[in-house]
Amino acid sequence: DIQMTQSPSSVSASVGDRVTITCRASQGISSWLAWYQQKPGKAPRLLIYAASSLQSGVPSRFSGSRSGTDFTLTISSLQPEDFATYYCQQANSFPLTFGGGTKVEIK
Amino acid sequence: EVQLVESGGGLVQPGGSLRLSCAASGFTFSSYWMSWVRQAPGKGLEWVATIKQDGSEKYYVDSVKGRFTISRDNAKNSLSLQMNSLRAEDTAVYYCATYGLHTGASDIWGQGTMVTVSS
Repeated sequence: DIQMTQSPSSVSASVGDRVTITCRASQGISSWLAWYQQKPGKAPRLLIYAASSLQSGVPSRFSGSRSGTDFTLTISSLQPEDFATYYCQQANSFPLTFGGGTKVEIK
Repeated sequence: EVQLVESGGGLVQPGGSLRLSCAASGFTFSSYWMSWVRQAPGKGLEWVATIKQDGSEKYYVDSVKGRFTISRDNAKNSLSLQMNSLRAEDTAVYYCATYGLHTGASDIWGQGTMVTVSS
């Protein structure tokens, strides 16, 4: 199974900050990576698919990139509604696997 | 409105069974692969199972193989998860979601249904 190691597990940031979250795959997954945002008590929301493609309706301050087996989600200017938990998920092969999550908290 | 609505969750004793359902509306259900994803209280997301549009391919996480069965009824726009031999560690919110074969991502999610396995 492909392991997804996500870091950091939590980050404290202020409105307007640039936030970067990283996910590392245990083996090559090409660009089969998605990023989700989840708020308490709510279902996950798809932000990015294919490592860097922005899902329709998602603000352009969210972006994704890939370097080998390392993937990055960047929020260019954190907004109040962005405080949430973020997950990566690989779809290169079954079983699909998620990273452990990164909680973005208010500083 | 594009929507997925789960039902069937509840409290069940260890070793018991439960059947979850997911009703789809507002999109062409039969064109989509579908998945179940769960989240234990206070924990992260865990993929459970995925089924192809026509039901001919099914995939499961190892921890539920032989106990859970994913199925669908395209005529009724419905997805199901039959859960047998339930364990305490199956306690979670269960979400149904679309699965984009060409994106590898789930863009439509239900609100979730809670399953509690406890005596």
